[in-house]
Formats: sequence, C-alpha cells, structure tokens
Amino acid sequence: QVNVVESGGGLVEPGGSLRLSCAVSGFIFSDYHMSWIRQAPGKGLEWISYITDSGSAKYYADSVRGRFSISRDNAKRSLSLQLSSLRVEDTAVYYCARDSLTAGDASDVWGQGTMVIVS
Amino acid sequence: SYVLTQPPSLSVAPGMTARITCGGNNIGTKSVHWYQQGPGQAPVLVVYSDSDRPSGISERFSGSNSGNTATLTITRVEAGDEADYYCQVWDSSSEHRVFGGGTKLTVL
Repeated sequence: QVNVVESGGGLVEPGGSLRLSCAVSGFIFSDYHMSWIRQAPGKGLEWISYITDSGSAKYYADSVRGRFSISRDNAKRSLSLQLSSLRVEDTAVYYCARDSLTAGDASDVWGQGTMVIVS
Repeated sequence: SYVLTQPPSLSVAPGMTARITCGGNNIGTKSVHWYQQGPGQAPVLVVYSDSDRPSGISERFSGSNSGNTATLTITRVEAGDEADYYCQVWDSSSEHRVFGGGTKLTVL
C-alpha cells in the first residue's frame, strides 16, 4: 500500500526553525521525485519545493528560497524540509507528495499533512 | 511569473455537467493537472497531462486544454463531487510549479 506520512509540525515563534519529515512506504522511493506543498488556513495550494529522485536538483518557490531547504535520504526512504527564519505567513498545513512517473510535475500521492503554526 | 486563473465558485445540480476552467497565457502549450480536495482532506489527482485519468478515478472526470483555457469536466455530478478543484502546471521559464487559486464546486 502506497503511503506518505508527514511529521514534525508544531507551534514556533517568528524567526524560529522547524524540521519536517516525510516517511514513505509501498513504493521504491529512490525512483520518484518528491515535493512539498502547503496550504494556509482557508487558502489555496502553494507549491514550495521539489527534489529530484537522486537529490541532485532542488527547486524552491520564491517565497521560501533561502529560508527552507529540502533534502532526502534514499537509504532511509525519507524526505525532509528544514524551515528557518519562519514568518507568520508560513503558517499552513504542509503536505509531502510523490511526483508521478508518467507526469513528472504532477503529484499522485499525498500525505495527510502536518500543521505548522508560526505565532 | 506564470498565473493560473480559476473561477472561485461553481454551482451545479445533481446529474448535470460541471465545467471548471483554468486560464493562463498559452496554457495550451503546457501540461495541465487537476486535483480534487474534499473538506479537511488532502488533495487527490483526478486528471493529469491535460486529459489522462489516474487509476481509480471515475470516467465522469475528463480534461481538455487549448489556447488560453484548460477545462475540467465532471459529468453526471454527484453530491460526493462537492469539493475544491485546483489546476496546476509547471512553468519552465521560472522552474516553478504553479497552482490556480481553486474553484469550490457546490452541488445544489
């Protein structure tokens, strides 16, 4: 059964840091690109970062570049997102998502999300 | 940066057809994906690469893309289709994934 599960969310003060993790199961993690997408309360989806299957390339939204860092450990089948210099506007549910093999920039498996509150 | 425009809301009676649009400059040259998000749930991919359906998605969901508009069509609308729908593309010039603002579909 294909599954992704996020963890690490919580309450943090402005300027603080947090590390989100995503554990996967049911598929060969090293074959897939992975993404983080967030959703502020009552708002739409916002893509924030994407990492290739090998981890050799990383992409970031302008709103988080220089503050957030995506990484992966294929041996441990895990994806991470380091959040730094957090702002009130970073408050959101953060989703980990697997990117499709057939449509590489579409996410075909999503976790249930982890909530980050900056206050 | 590339912008995708969706109508904020759409209301459709059960059994009718819903058409949700996604506007963008020459969007017909891009590959468009659509997600459904029920209340309190994670998004689900319902159409990818303009018109393909992932395994397990109902045939009632279809997509098209031409010119400056992509469209998600839901035929024989059911109460369970009530959700937010988002379009998404990859903007190669900025190397960013872009989402539309979302359309809330209400089934009357």
